[in-house]
Amino acid sequence: SAVISQKPSRDICQRGTSLTIQCQVDSQVTMMFWYRQQPGQSLTLIATANQGSEATYESGFVIDKFPISRPNLTFSTLTVSNMSPEDSSIYLCSVWSSGGTDTQYFGPGTRLTVL
Amino acid sequence: LAKTTQPISMDSYEGQEVNITCSHNNIATNDYITWYQQFPSQGPRFIIQGYKTKVTNEVASLFIPADRKSSTLSLPRVSLSDTAVYYCLVGDGDTNAGKSTFGDGTTLTVKP
Repeated sequence: SAVISQKPSRDICQRGTSLTIQCQVDSQVTMMFWYRQQPGQSLTLIATANQGSEATYESGFVIDKFPISRPNLTFSTLTVSNMSPEDSSIYLCSVWSSGGTDTQYFGPGTRLTVL
Repeated sequence: LAKTTQPISMDSYEGQEVNITCSHNNIATNDYITWYQQFPSQGPRFIIQGYKTKVTNEVASLFIPADRKSSTLSLPRVSLSDTAVYYCLVGDGDTNAGKSTFGDGTTLTVKP
């Protein structure tokens, strides 16, 4: 298994500003991902955070809006840029672990409210 | 990635067995079936995973028929704390590791 922590756990931000969310894993993992969960909705994959190279974004998400860093195998950041109220969501970090059962583990999420 | 269909919501009472069925008609040969549980303000938590027949762990059982086009998550003797959203995911851990496509999930409400 993998234990994931995220900072901050929640934040309230003003329109037009940016917020960087940190994700720390307690073990080295190859695959790290960022998801978004809008209020009352399911999870949507934003991008795959690649160590040592640019992130791979899913359709509808772009690097200018959601820049991602992955400096090593235990850490990643997601920045939500030039925020608008539509960006109010929970942002979740996730990793894929192949130890024992091959499955995903999720962080507790960062609840973002944009005013 | 195979699309899944689940009931939007289910109600139950404490002590009852709850069965949540997921349809995945387009499941591929290499796909596994995984169920997650999500409480409010938390990330999804892995419950159980299977490929065929029956899998049981300390939390739940997973029943998968021979054609694998559906699966049923069984929660024995639920309690109020089992109130959560349950997601069924289907995917190939090798080629799509981590790129899970979440459906709408099933909101289970356990009543006293």
